[in-house]
Amino acid sequence: TQLLEQSPQFLSIQEGENLTVYCNSSSVFSSLQWYRQEPGEGPVLLVTVVTGGEVKKLKRLTFQFGDARKDSSLHITAAQPGDTGLYLCAGASYNTDKLIFGTGTRLQVFP
Amino acid sequence: DAMVIQNPRYQVTQFGKPVTLSCSQTLNHNVMYWYQQKSSQAPKLLFHYYDKDFNNEADTPDNFQSRRPNTSFCFLDIRSPGLGDAAMYLCATSRDGTGQGRTDTQYFGPGTRLTVL
Repeated sequence: TQLLEQSPQFLSIQEGENLTVYCNSSSVFSSLQWYRQEPGEGPVLLVTVVTGGEVKKLKRLTFQFGDARKDSSLHITAAQPGDTGLYLCAGASYNTDKLIFGTGTRLQVFP
Repeated sequence: DAMVIQNPRYQVTQFGKPVTLSCSQTLNHNVMYWYQQKSSQAPKLLFHYYDKDFNNEADTPDNFQSRRPNTSFCFLDIRSPGLGDAAMYLCATSRDGTGQGRTDTQYFGPGTRLTVL
């Protein structure tokens, strides 16, 4: 069974702080997607990483895919209250049409 | 422009009373997914359609059924809702899925929050 563990599970920080969320597995994925979900809404795609070692930046968010394509990280610089939400990583498997979702990280950024 | 539409956004039903949730898409994607999400947890896949081919997850209760009458629409039927079925139900689509190394994105709808009284 493929599993994706995210850490930390919960994170409460002050505006302006930096943070990193980790997404780890023992399985290899063909790609990995990061989503942010706000209360009462569906997940919204932030980025897809495909190549081992790939780094993508989206304004203050930096995403990295591990060299072996088993893990990923999301780094937020100078967090803002608008970054508050549930962050989900999701790995794409070679053998099925479905995503394996991580356990989620709930981020709260206080003004 | 809305791409994955779910109706209704909020649904209240009584214990044991059948309920149907609706999803439509304007993307002409081949794959449609139904997920169940409980508070602050990751979405849990119930089943998905690749075109007309239905794929049920092994741990999806028989109480949950799905129909896909055409490319654009997919329905989730809960035959006898229990209190434990109260959750957010998310519909998602992707063009061709993620198998065999494809990297298609899944696009999610806004969800339907189901309350069971």
